[in-house]
Amino acid sequence: GAVVSQHPSWVICKSGTSVKIECRSLDFQATTMFWYRQFPKQSLMLMATSNEGSKATYEQGVEKDKFLINHASLTLSTLTVTSAHPEDSSFYICSAPVGSTAEAFFGQGTRLTVV
Amino acid sequence: GESVGLHLPTLSVQEGDNSIINCAYSNSASDYFIWYKQESGKGPQFIIDIRSNMDKRQGQRVTVLLNKTVKHLSLQIAATQPGDSAVYFCAEKNSGNTGKLIFGQGTTLQVKP
Repeated sequence: GAVVSQHPSWVICKSGTSVKIECRSLDFQATTMFWYRQFPKQSLMLMATSNEGSKATYEQGVEKDKFLINHASLTLSTLTVTSAHPEDSSFYICSAPVGSTAEAFFGQGTRLTVV
Repeated sequence: GESVGLHLPTLSVQEGDNSIINCAYSNSASDYFIWYKQESGKGPQFIIDIRSNMDKRQGQRVTVLLNKTVKHLSLQIAATQPGDSAVYFCAEKNSGNTGKLIFGQGTTLQVKP
């Protein structure tokens, strides 16, 4: 079946630094990918829609200059958390829809801790 | 619908019993509804979906019921097993809106041996 891979699985960074998270579709092409953020014991909150070859679409309240999204190829989307602060510590998850079905495949998530 | 800042409710069941997990959704224009299972520290895993023109769909040990009148979705798990312990999320999708998924609040299922 379709596989979506995220890297890294976890990362610890210092306040003020930037962190890049990669999301790859391993055996299919994804013109669209989605980025979610999940705080402990809460639901997944959609941050943005990543579009191959064009600008990402951000959900209301998500700072596009802080969460930079690049979707340069049909198999890779990246999320860069710029000037990270402790409140950015969270679980970041990407997903990619598969064909015309309702199903979306999710990456394994990236645990970001900002110290 | 979307949950902001809400902690997950918990459902505790005995092994072998049936579990029913409920979800309310917000967008009457959504045309797909999906249930996901999320284990600790992992991404969501697809369980079953249902189109908006259906009211019931069955899978292996799972059944999803859709009540569009009250915007309610439920997941029934038969003969619940310890391996079913996880957080369960419903999600809704509007195919005409880039296909993005909007997740519901989620429920923690605890299976007691």
